[in-house]
Amino acid sequence: DTEVTQTPKHLVMGMTNKKSLKCEQHMGHRAMYWYKQKAKKPPELMFVYSYEKLSINESVPSRFSPECPNSSLLNLHLHALQPEDSALYLCASSQGPPGTSTDTQYFGPGTRLTVL
Amino acid sequence: AQTVTQSQPEMSVQEAETVTLSCTYDTSESNYYLFWYKQPPSRQMILVIRQEAYKQQNATENRFSVNFQKAAKSFSLKISDSQLGDTAMYFCALLGNEKLTFGTGTRLTIIP
Repeated sequence: DTEVTQTPKHLVMGMTNKKSLKCEQHMGHRAMYWYKQKAKKPPELMFVYSYEKLSINESVPSRFSPECPNSSLLNLHLHALQPEDSALYLCASSQGPPGTSTDTQYFGPGTRLTVL
Repeated sequence: AQTVTQSQPEMSVQEAETVTLSCTYDTSESNYYLFWYKQPPSRQMILVIRQEAYKQQNATENRFSVNFQKAAKSFSLKISDSQLGDTAMYFCALLGNEKLTFGTGTRLTIIP
């Protein structure tokens, strides 16, 4: 079973809204990731949560904040977003920490975010 | 820094034919892993195949196989007996130094 679920599938929000994206995996994986993907581009890593440690891509603005309530859930809180933040947001998980032999990442279906 | 290059932005092939997608990479790591991911219009990123750099044997998954040339830093994907469901964007990716780096992708269209 290599299922990663994401909700919602689509989200439209205004620049003053606060919303959250949810990601869940039931594979017992210890690392979870958030990626941002613009149209016709490869995914760009935003955050890694691995073995209770959060790693942040320094280019990600503070209007994005991850939260890991438990080892199977990773939320992405959104606040005061800009239209250029509109993209597909992908969540992934892996069994082991980044860079190890068990770091094959399995992706969820993504959330299509539109910021008006 | 590690890089992944896919030099074919788009490709198309007739159904049932064989197609090869190219990928070259560069890394200073001695231990790394290579992947091909498929992203169909439904947009979910699906793992197609994985290769450990320390293994000389090329990985195979049903109709999908790779040609891994470590000295040349080349990692091509061959799709045999292509099917309409293979239509997708294909990303080559390199895992090294705790980071997964993607190429820019190849859009593959299977023509009926």
